[in-house]
Amino acid sequence: DAKTTQPNSMESNEEEPVHLPCNHSTISGTDYIHWYRQLPSQGPEYVIHGLTSNVNNRMASLAIAEDRKSSTLILHRATLRDAAVYYCILRDAQGGSEKLVFGKGTKLTVNP
Amino acid sequence: EAGVVQSPRYKIIEKKQPVAFWCNPISGHNTLYWYLQNLGQGPELLIRYENEEAVDDSQLPKDRFSAERLKGVDSTLKIQPAELGDSAVYLCASSFISGGRSEQFFGPGTRLTVL
Repeated sequence: DAKTTQPNSMESNEEEPVHLPCNHSTISGTDYIHWYRQLPSQGPEYVIHGLTSNVNNRMASLAIAEDRKSSTLILHRATLRDAAVYYCILRDAQGGSEKLVFGKGTKLTVNP
Repeated sequence: EAGVVQSPRYKIIEKKQPVAFWCNPISGHNTLYWYLQNLGQGPELLIRYENEEAVDDSQLPKDRFSAERLKGVDSTLKIQPAELGDSAVYLCASSFISGGRSEQFFGPGTRLTVL
């Protein structure tokens, strides 16, 4: 499984944008980039995913580097409810594999 | 729409005792996953079902762990006997794989403490 590298922790202030980086230099052409987050005492929840192009949804934006070796999850205006561990995961879509391999993620603290 | 339901939410047992966790996935989801999450770590896949079939159980410690998914809906994960190192959160997730989209929906987990 291709691996990802994320900072252990990040801090942000409420109502400011947050850019969460992820490096995945060994990504293959068939790997999708997924982001999940896990709020305290809850299971992970899906945030966003993409393959090559930047993606936007109601929760966040995903910016993917042109060479696909890195990506950035963007929260446009952080709220206290966004405090969570954010996981960047590569999913190999080849052969129908649905396996998600979680790392340790980035713990985001949002200051009021 | 109800999410993934797990029970119990918390379980405390003594080592060498058996324990079972139950999961009810989102209606219509054909794929079900059991994950183990140790403190400070990301979830690790134990087993994945497509309908009734276990299609990936390579990470399931089969000497003490077992799982079943009867009729392709609910699932039970069992540990017998439990060891101290089994203390963790056990997460269940489900998804409906269609057209390459496979967002996984997670339950709240069962926190197991083995004394």
